[in-house]
Amino acid sequence: GQNIDQPTEMTATEGAIVQINCTYQTSGFNGLFWYQQHAGEAPTFLSYNVLDGLEEKGRFSSFLSRSKGYSYLLLKELQMKDSASYLCAVRDQDQAGTALIFGKGTTLSVSS
Amino acid sequence: GAGVSQSPRYKVAKRGQDVALRCDPISGHVSLFWYQQALGQGPEFLTYFQNEAQLDKSGLPSDRFFAERPEGSVSTLKIQRTQQEDSAVYLCASSPAPSNEQFFGPGTRLTVL
Repeated sequence: GQNIDQPTEMTATEGAIVQINCTYQTSGFNGLFWYQQHAGEAPTFLSYNVLDGLEEKGRFSSFLSRSKGYSYLLLKELQMKDSASYLCAVRDQDQAGTALIFGKGTTLSVSS
Repeated sequence: GAGVSQSPRYKVAKRGQDVALRCDPISGHVSLFWYQQALGQGPEFLTYFQNEAQLDKSGLPSDRFFAERPEGSVSTLKIQRTQQEDSAVYLCASSPAPSNEQFFGPGTRLTVL
């Protein structure tokens, strides 16, 4: 079966660093995505990993270990506007080859 | 430039009514996806088009759901005889090629009373 797990909620304070973990079990693997979704808005793309290792993009970094079925999203220098849901998604090559399988999302609350 | 747009943004239907949800993808994007997102959940795949061809409809929950993209651009998701469990946000996403990043629209929030 297909399963993507991530924590339901996390809290952090402004200026801090937070790591959101994601583990997956899918029948195929062709890349892992992180999306940010503010309440009532569209998911927006944050990062993409297909090879093992760390991808850094400004305040956001994403890590992938394919052998462990594990990824994390690292957010540095947190700002209030980072309060949102963070969605981990896997592109499963066996399912249409292109559709994304999403986790339930992690709601991050950043306080001052 | 214009992103993915969807209309209506909000739709309230009485149980048993038919609804039609529209998606305008980014111009030139070959791939188009429909997802259903229930409250507090991640999006779940419904169906996928490559140009006008519907290549995967395995995620459609029942035969009451029908999607089309007749000219390879605008797509419509139709739900017949709506039921309360159909209440969700319906997201459309497009990408320039099958394996590229997907760009999401703002969604249509459907509430079935």
